[in-house]
Amino acid sequence: DAGVTQSPTHLIKTRGQHVTLRCSPISGHKSVSWYQQVLGQGPQFIFQYYEKEERGRGNFPDRFSARQFPNYSSELNVNALLLGDSALYLCASSFDSGKGYTFGSGTRLTVV
Amino acid sequence: AQTVTQSQPEMSVQEAETVTLSCTYDTSESDYYLFWYKQPPSRQMILVIRQEAYKQQNATENRFSVNFQKAAKSFSLKISDSQLGDAAMYFCAYRSANSGTYKYIFGTGTRLKVLA
Repeated sequence: DAGVTQSPTHLIKTRGQHVTLRCSPISGHKSVSWYQQVLGQGPQFIFQYYEKEERGRGNFPDRFSARQFPNYSSELNVNALLLGDSALYLCASSFDSGKGYTFGSGTRLTVV
Repeated sequence: AQTVTQSQPEMSVQEAETVTLSCTYDTSESDYYLFWYKQPPSRQMILVIRQEAYKQQNATENRFSVNFQKAAKSFSLKISDSQLGDAAMYFCAYRSANSGTYKYIFGTGTRLKVLA
């Protein structure tokens, strides 16, 4: 079985632009979560979606939004990019998050 | 609010030796999950071991085991017979068991170096 896949793997954007990051969960996983990992820190929770509904939102500005599609894949959108948005963005899927997430390899976003 | 603290930014261990990584957390909840994740240079977070707070027995997974001290709010990871492939960042994480609370709270990580 394929794991959690994220695209693209690397991305360079200019301040003020917007970006869309994509995630395909493991087959059968209906829950997708997004995390931001700034260099040298642990991942920070951004969003969780389950069955296409938002189930949780972290302490991120409204420039960050996400959605989940009928096939359970997900997109994370960030508008009006700031230099501080440069980070590794991790997607994770689970059947039951209490049993642990399976993470993708992330998208490295650099804002210049 | 819950917090997770990893006070060891970096640890080193000789190959085949044992090392213990520390993690403390703060919560007012009685039911929760704790995890250790490994992040190698490939960036993918890999689940190492999990513990359910209501279980008194410490979790073990092959060479990995935890020392879960609920009263002390401590959750350390012991790696036995360390191998070169164990070199990575290790993150401790907390998740409430309350329905509707799905986020994981991660610590800042411990970088483990394995010396040949």
